[in-house]
Amino acid sequence: EAQLLESGGGLVQPGGSLRLSCPASGFNFHSYAMSWVRQAPGKGLEWVSSINGGGTTFHADSVRGRFTISRDNSKSTLYLQMNSLRAEDTAIYYCAKVRDWGTIWYFDLWGRGTLVAVSS
Amino acid sequence: EIVLTQSPATLSLSPGERATLSCRASQSLSNSLAWYQQKPGQAPRLLIYDTSNRATGIPARFSGGGSGTDFTLTISSLYPEDFAVYYCQQRSSWPLTFGGGTRVEIK
Repeated sequence: EAQLLESGGGLVQPGGSLRLSCPASGFNFHSYAMSWVRQAPGKGLEWVSSINGGGTTFHADSVRGRFTISRDNSKSTLYLQMNSLRAEDTAIYYCAKVRDWGTIWYFDLWGRGTLVAVSS
Repeated sequence: EIVLTQSPATLSLSPGERATLSCRASQSLSNSLAWYQQKPGQAPRLLIYDTSNRATGIPARFSGGGSGTDFTLTISSLYPEDFAVYYCQQRSSWPLTFGGGTRVEIK
């Protein structure tokens, strides 16, 4: 069964850093693009970052220059390095598998999410 | 950035009734639109992709339609497990964007 399992969330002060991890299992990780999508408490979904099978990355304007998405195909793991965190980054962060290597940008498998809370 | 506007914000219906949800885009998407379902405390689930294609395991009572800037998700007859929040999402251009969601609640 295909699975994604996020970890690395927690409480951090404004200006701090966190690194989220998302190990994948049950599918050929290297063959698929991957993404991070977040959801602020009680709010809707917001796309954050994506990386295709070749390693090309895409970031939302709201996080560009502060967040970096990466992947380690040898470990079947997706990462999100988050620096200079702000209160408005507080959200559940979901790891999501994209339907293909990097052209059909829909999310057909989601993890359970990890909560990032930015507060002093 | 393409803005997706979903309506209504809330839909109050009874089990067995038909639900029609709308998603309007600020510019043409061709057919590059998906729908997701999210239940409380759960991750979203892909229902429909490229306007009208059901994802794996999605029941036939869910259908999608439309083109250009106007899209619909129809649930032909609501089951108790269908009461949830539904989001549309476009892949036509970067950044990827979601609509604000429609809550389908029990009347």
